[in-house]
Amino acid sequence: DGGITQSPKYLFRKEGQNVTLSCEQNLNHDAMYWYRQDPGQGLRLIYYSQIVNDFQKGDIAEGYSVSREKKESFPLTVTSAQKNPTAFYLCASSPAAGSGELFFGEGSRLTVL
Amino acid sequence: GDSVTQMEGPVTLSEEAFLTINCTYTATGYPSLFWYVQYPGEGLQLLLKATKADDKGSNKGFEATYRKETTSFHLEKGSVQVSDSAVYFCALSYFGNEKLTFGTGTRLTIIP
Repeated sequence: DGGITQSPKYLFRKEGQNVTLSCEQNLNHDAMYWYRQDPGQGLRLIYYSQIVNDFQKGDIAEGYSVSREKKESFPLTVTSAQKNPTAFYLCASSPAAGSGELFFGEGSRLTVL
Repeated sequence: GDSVTQMEGPVTLSEEAFLTINCTYTATGYPSLFWYVQYPGEGLQLLLKATKADDKGSNKGFEATYRKETTSFHLEKGSVQVSDSAVYFCALSYFGNEKLTFGTGTRLTIIP
């Protein structure tokens, strides 16, 4: 089936450790995104990529890093510099960059102990 | 800056009731408007959209009309089902701009 696969679904991390969240899509979409979801808040954009080997910061990029070496993959690294990393992270892709029509994965819940 | 405001949840209704979830927006230009739905344990899915004033988006029995004069995009359904239980997000974006601005979400629970 076509879609977006995020892994792991749940992740625990100690303070001071980096962690990488995986996002893979087989929809042949050029654009990919990472959002953060916190209770009582809307989704906030972390990073996005419109094409391989290119990505842009969103509204809350500090403490995060990404790479886009392949069209189908857009991993997110939560670094130790992120002050409040416990959150639900959603990856998305779009068939038309800038259209607002996104396809989301099921999300990864990160808890920092 | 742009923003989206949704009615506070949670909303609890009986099956076959009429549903309205309010959404208003503040925008500097003329955005496209969207409703996304997040079913339990799943990612968000696009439910419907409208790209200009007076457009009506519809899908799966849900409707929303882009009202420029009241800056609103309220979600409605005439008869809800238990399977409609989910979190609903209103959002806006400008064509060609990668950023989607989301509301905080409204949790809907339908009781049999």
